[in-house]
Amino acid sequence: NAGVTQTPKFQVLKTGQSMTLQCAQDMNHEYMSWYRQDPGMGLRLIHYSVGAGITDQGEVPNGYNVSRSTTEDFPLRLLSAAPSQTSVYFCASGWRGWSDTQYFGPGTRLTVL
Amino acid sequence: DAKTTQPPSMDCAEGRAANLPCNHSTISGNEYVYWYRQIHSQGPQYIIHGLKNNETNEMASLIITEDRKSSTLILPHATLRDTAVYYCIAEDNTGTASKLTFGTGTRLQVTL
Repeated sequence: NAGVTQTPKFQVLKTGQSMTLQCAQDMNHEYMSWYRQDPGMGLRLIHYSVGAGITDQGEVPNGYNVSRSTTEDFPLRLLSAAPSQTSVYFCASGWRGWSDTQYFGPGTRLTVL
Repeated sequence: DAKTTQPPSMDCAEGRAANLPCNHSTISGNEYVYWYRQIHSQGPQYIIHGLKNNETNEMASLIITEDRKSSTLILPHATLRDTAVYYCIAEDNTGTASKLTFGTGTRLQVTL
């Protein structure tokens, strides 16, 4: 049981490039979400999903796309990277909703030059 | 916006109880209070949550005031490994789906 895994651990992009951050969980959780954490700040919700085929926007969705084709995977796509997207990105999952314990991945450190 | 207020930092001697306060005066009657912590730059880790009764698990105790406007997380015997940022989070049921909103938390430093 690996829990929540995220790849890559580190990534450097140039402005305008696109990429996908991968998130996978093997706990059969319905809820998955993406957060970003800027230096000295708390986590801010980007997008979340309540189940396969269902996604919704969080607090800071602009510049990011998500899809949920399987229960296990919830990739986050940066469409055209900007320096303001330099951050640490965390993926989380939970059984059915926020009232259930959320399990967080180890994070992806993204730098956009 | 985060619905909680926490002190930015606290110190605690190893072996002593760490009492971390949180104000959540605008919380609604059916919204839970959650505590997570983040050690160094790792992903946040769930600690405990509660609605109106006090809760205890193997990690900590959560004391919620009767009016539910504040709560205290208690680590009964803090160790150096408890040094972390502790987030008090009030569930937000005002949107289409409930969600957790993280604030900036309390940085707890446990010292020898």
